[in-house]
Amino acid sequence: GQQVMQIPQYQHVQEGEDFTTYCNSSTTLSNIQWYKQRPGGHPVFLIQLVKSGEVKKQKRLTFQFGEAKKNSSLHITATQTTDVGTYFCAGQGRSYIPTFGRGTSLIVHP
Amino acid sequence: DAGVTQSPTHLIKTRGQQVTLRCSPISGHKSVSWYQQVLGQGPQFIFQYYEKEERGRGNFPDRFSARQFPNYSSELNVNALLLGDSALYLCASSTTSGGFDEQFFGPGTRLTVL
Repeated sequence: GQQVMQIPQYQHVQEGEDFTTYCNSSTTLSNIQWYKQRPGGHPVFLIQLVKSGEVKKQKRLTFQFGEAKKNSSLHITATQTTDVGTYFCAGQGRSYIPTFGRGTSLIVHP
Repeated sequence: DAGVTQSPTHLIKTRGQQVTLRCSPISGHKSVSWYQQVLGQGPQFIFQYYEKEERGRGNFPDRFSARQFPNYSSELNVNALLLGDSALYLCASSTTSGGFDEQFFGPGTRLTVL
């Protein structure tokens, strides 16, 4: 079945440093979504990417979808303490079932 | 507007028991999905319902079942509970009938099986 791998599992950064998490699928995806989950909270939708090579920006966050639609990345510029949380990617392939990665936990040190 | 609501917030059961979890979607949302999130993992898809019909099912045993009511609220039932069923159960609603566009998650029900 479809597998979605996400790396790294954890990332410690100093406030102001950049952060990137990567998502790789074993199969071609029709779309990919990114979510943020704060400690003790629930996932909150950030964005959906659909087109091959698509790049979308939300303030300090940049999302990319690979040309082959099998990988994606989320990059945060100049992290802030409010960025703390776990970032998940969720890919949907031909099976229609969305598959979440294990997430990358971002820890920002002030 | 109220977000997705789930009840109960927490639940403790013993092995072999049955549990029913409830979810009310955002007003106007006709699609409800259920996920299981084990500590340290991403959410795992269990079911999606749209207009009271099952539209998708994840890789879960038949002990898991769900239904959606005319008001679009939903229930997830788990029979013959196992220790491994301990998890956060999340409900998400969306407007789309197929696919998974922006999903709005509820706060979840924390199930502990002893």
